[in-house]
Parts: sequence; C-alpha cells; structure tokens
Amino acid sequence: EAGVAQSPRYKIIEKRQSVAFWCNPISGHATLYWYQQILGQGPKLLIQFQNNGVVDDSQLPKDRFSAERLKGVDSTLKIQPAKLEDSAVYLCASSLLAGSSYEQYFGPGTRLTVT
Amino acid sequence: KQEVTQIPAALSVPEGENLVLNCSFTDSAIYNLQWFRQDPGKGLTSLLLIQSSQREQTSGRLNASLDKSSGRSTLYIAASQPGDSATYLCAVGGPYGQNFVFGPGTRLSVLP
Repeated sequence: EAGVAQSPRYKIIEKRQSVAFWCNPISGHATLYWYQQILGQGPKLLIQFQNNGVVDDSQLPKDRFSAERLKGVDSTLKIQPAKLEDSAVYLCASSLLAGSSYEQYFGPGTRLTVT
Repeated sequence: KQEVTQIPAALSVPEGENLVLNCSFTDSAIYNLQWFRQDPGKGLTSLLLIQSSQREQTSGRLNASLDKSSGRSTLYIAASQPGDSATYLCAVGGPYGQNFVFGPGTRLSVLP
C-alpha cells in the first residue's frame, strides 16, 4: 500500500512570494489533514478535510493560507503572501473515516524556508 | 482548549536500558491517543494508537498505557537500541478524528 505522498520536499522563497504544496493521501482515506511544524515544536493542525468538505480550519490563517480538496482525493495548500514566520515543515496526513480508530498516517513533509 | 505536554524534553540513555516517556493532557474527553516517532528531517511514523476505552497497547518492545481520568499516557520502551534514537510525540484526538493536538515531543538518544 502506497503511503501519503507530498511534493515538493523542499522549497525556498522570498517573503511576499506565494507557494503551493501538494498532498495525495493513502487510497481510500476520506480524511485529510494539513499540519504546520515549526522547528522544535509538535505539529499544529491547520485544516482537516472529510472527503471534499472542511471539518476544521479554526487554526488556519485565512488571510494568507488557503487549502482545497476539490475531488475528495488530493489536496493543495497555498500561502500567499508568505512571511518569514511561515518557515516550517508542512505535513500532510490521512486517515480512514467511520468505523476506524482515526489512526493518522503522515507523509514526509515539505520543508519551507522563507528568506 | 486541549494542551499536551511531554516530559522529559530530552533523554539520553545507554543501550539496553528500559525507559518511560510521559505525556499529559488537560482535557480528559479524548477519543484516542496516538504515539509517533519522528526521525530528523522526516515525517511522523505511527507507533501505537490507544482508543479511549482501552488501557494499553503493545507492539514489540513498545507498550503504551492510557489513564484518561488523570490525563496521562506513558510509552515504555524495553531494551533500548541506538536505532530507537528519535523524537517521540504523543497526540490526542476528539471524536471523528477532530481536534488532534500534539505534544512538543521528547528527544531520545540511545548511546551504544
């Protein structure tokens, strides 16, 4: 079974530029999560999708961050414009829906550096 | 608001020792608790998941326990090996996989 795929693995941009990250969850996983992990901290949930609907985006900085999962499969997270404090690893995770334990499986992450 | 803490922040032990990592959470109304391992520059690997109705889960040399009423979980690693060196994170979740909150992690070094 293929794992969670993310691209790119690394990205360096200047502040005020825009950037997009892509995630493809494990096949059949209805729930998809995006997390931000700042160096030395645990991941922080940004947004949770169930199929193509948003379940929780309470911690997503909506003035600059956006995310979509149009067909209920892969997802894109965008930052526009980027700030220095957005430098972090962006992790995508997925889990099965009902009838499961909601165990989360993570991708390798995208390391973003904003200069 | 759920808060998760982990003690200690870092731990260094000689190979072969048994060790315990601690995780505490402030709101006991959780659906599950998951322990992860993170190697430098890598994503998270799920180690064990405990449902709120369970008291413990075991996988190989790992045993995780959950005391929901006191807001605590422990991860026990038996006969530690250098390959166990990594950061260990716990996270608690609410119903329907929502409100997943991570602790800051414990950085473990197992010395040969």
